[in-house]
Amino acid sequence: EIVMTQSPATLSVSPGERATLSCRATQSITTNVAWYQQKPGQAPRLLIHGASTRATGIPARFSGSGSGTEFTLTISSLQSEDFAVYFCQQYNNWPAWTFGQGTRVEIK
Amino acid sequence: QMQLIQSGPVIKKPGSSVKVSCKASGGTFSSHSIGWVRQAPGQGLEWMGGIIPIFGTPDYPQKFRGRLTITADDSTSTLYMELSSLTSEDTAVYYCAGSVAYCSGDCPWGQGTLVTVSS
Repeated sequence: EIVMTQSPATLSVSPGERATLSCRATQSITTNVAWYQQKPGQAPRLLIHGASTRATGIPARFSGSGSGTEFTLTISSLQSEDFAVYFCQQYNNWPAWTFGQGTRVEIK
Repeated sequence: QMQLIQSGPVIKKPGSSVKVSCKASGGTFSSHSIGWVRQAPGQGLEWMGGIIPIFGTPDYPQKFRGRLTITADDSTSTLYMELSSLTSEDTAVYYCAGSVAYCSGDCPWGQGTLVTVSS
């Protein structure tokens, strides 16, 4: 099983600042990575797929990068609605897709 | 835009089975690109399996094989997830979701179904 490790577990950021979230895979997954945002009591929402392609309707302040085993989600200027939990997911090995444990982005 | 509407919350006894439905509306249903994800209380997300176009039949990670069955009724645009031999560790919110590899960035999620396993 491919394990996805996210860091940090919690990120404290002030509104308007940049947030950088990391995700590492235990083996190469090329660019088969997605990022999701989840707010309390809501279903996750797809932000990024293919490591760097924004999903439909996602603002340009969200960007993804990386390939192989190292991936990054960047939020260029945090808005109040961006404080949430973020998960990465690898979809390289069907059916054994796996998620990271999540990074909580909180207000500093 | 397609929406996924799931069945309501349920309480089940240990050892029993649960069946959750996921009905697609407002778009072109394809049972062949929807999967299931669960989230235990206060925990992260866990992929459970689904159906993808290449194979056209459901498949599951090793952890769920033998206990999980995913079926589809194309006539009603509904996907089903049935999990057997329930234990307290199966208490979670269960989501159906567009399989990210095949939904071209427009991947809907259902609202979630809380399954509580308790004696």
